[in-house]
Amino acid sequence: AQTVTQSQPEMSVQEAETVTLSCTYDTSESDYYLFWYKQPPSRQMILVIRQEAYKQQNATENRFSVNFQKAAKSFSLKISDSQLGDAAMYFCAYRSALNYGGSQGNLIFGKGTKLSVKP
Amino acid sequence: EPEVTQTPSHQVTQMGQEVILRCVPISNHLYFYWYRQILGQKVEFLVSFYNNEISEKSEIFDDQFSVERPDGSNFTLKIRSTKLEDSAMYFCASSPYRDNQPQHFGDGTRLSIL
Repeated sequence: AQTVTQSQPEMSVQEAETVTLSCTYDTSESDYYLFWYKQPPSRQMILVIRQEAYKQQNATENRFSVNFQKAAKSFSLKISDSQLGDAAMYFCAYRSALNYGGSQGNLIFGKGTKLSVKP
Repeated sequence: EPEVTQTPSHQVTQMGQEVILRCVPISNHLYFYWYRQILGQKVEFLVSFYNNEISEKSEIFDDQFSVERPDGSNFTLKIRSTKLEDSAMYFCASSPYRDNQPQHFGDGTRLSIL
């Protein structure tokens, strides 16, 4: 079974600085997707960024980028120029690729990292 | 931008009572999911639903749980006889298809069992 581990329960960053959130996962599959979701205090989980395992290039979305190390099974999220609105719970999630191993696309989440942004 | 909507936002129920949590997925989405998050713990998959039937369910999704898409727009999760340990935040999600498209989540329903 696949597992996702986020080893940092809480992180703090100064506004305008850069912070990296860690995520590791365990799988025997070769094709899968990885996601970072943000859950602000308003509760709705919002997709931040996604990475297809077959792509070597790291995904980037504006101030958010990932460092995907497939061999090490690591998928960290880097937030540049942190803003107060970035304060939230961040979840790393794994999903098997389509029809791989009979999976129907459910997400496997880590425990989350609570990010605080200091003004 | 279209959103997944869930009602109610907070449900308080006596232990042993039935509860129905409601979700309206994004209209052109085909795949629907329920997840739950017990306070302080990780988000856990409950069930996925496609083409009017369950496509996968986790060990958590026992006989006390059922899902239904009664009218083509709503997607409901029913807990037949609630237990204290069912207290959690329940999230509905939907996606247009399974491939690389992400799941869109609702705000969640906080279920409190007394």
